[in-house]
Amino acid sequence: TQLLEQSPQFLSIQEGENLTVYCNSSSVFSSLQWYRQEPGEGPVLLVTVVTGGEVKKLKRLTFQFGDARKDSSLHITAAQTGDTGLYLCAGPGAGSYQLTFGKGTKLSVIP
Amino acid sequence: SQTIHQWPATLVQPVGSPLSLECTVEGTSNPNLYWYRQAAGRGLQLLFYSVGIGQISSEVPQNLSASRPQDRQFILSSKKLLLSDSGFYLCAWSGGQGSSPLHFGNGTRLTVT
Repeated sequence: TQLLEQSPQFLSIQEGENLTVYCNSSSVFSSLQWYRQEPGEGPVLLVTVVTGGEVKKLKRLTFQFGDARKDSSLHITAAQTGDTGLYLCAGPGAGSYQLTFGKGTKLSVIP
Repeated sequence: SQTIHQWPATLVQPVGSPLSLECTVEGTSNPNLYWYRQAAGRGLQLLFYSVGIGQISSEVPQNLSASRPQDRQFILSSKKLLLSDSGFYLCAWSGGQGSSPLHFGNGTRLTVT
């Protein structure tokens, strides 16, 4: 079974601070996806990383896929209250039509 | 553009009562459809997925079942709810295989009392 471990589980920071959250596995993934979920809503895809060492930027969010394709990180610069939410990473699971999700990092940005 | 509708948004049901949650997708054909359950705002557990009409794969044995009567309709059911069935149920669709992104509905918050 391919597992994705996310850390930290919870993170509370002040507006304007920088932060990094992590998604790690002992397995190699062909790609990883990052989602953000706001309370009471479904997750929304932020980015997909597919190449080892790849870096993708989405405004103040920087996503990196590890060289060995076993881990990924999400760095947020100058966090805003609108960044508050649950950040989930996901990768292809054992079956052809399945995604395996990590348990997520719950981020709270305090004004 | 594609949209996914899931209802109801919230539901309170007594133990032993039946359940029917419905999900429909618009703007795409032959989507892969999924039911996930999320406990306490945490990770997602895949319950069922379907790659075509009448084709259902179950990931977790339990008292829930799923059906796909039409190409873009996915239904989650139970004959008798348990307390442990409480949670946040999410329907999703994708256009390809395991690496394809999922597009989620806004979920149903089910409380079994």
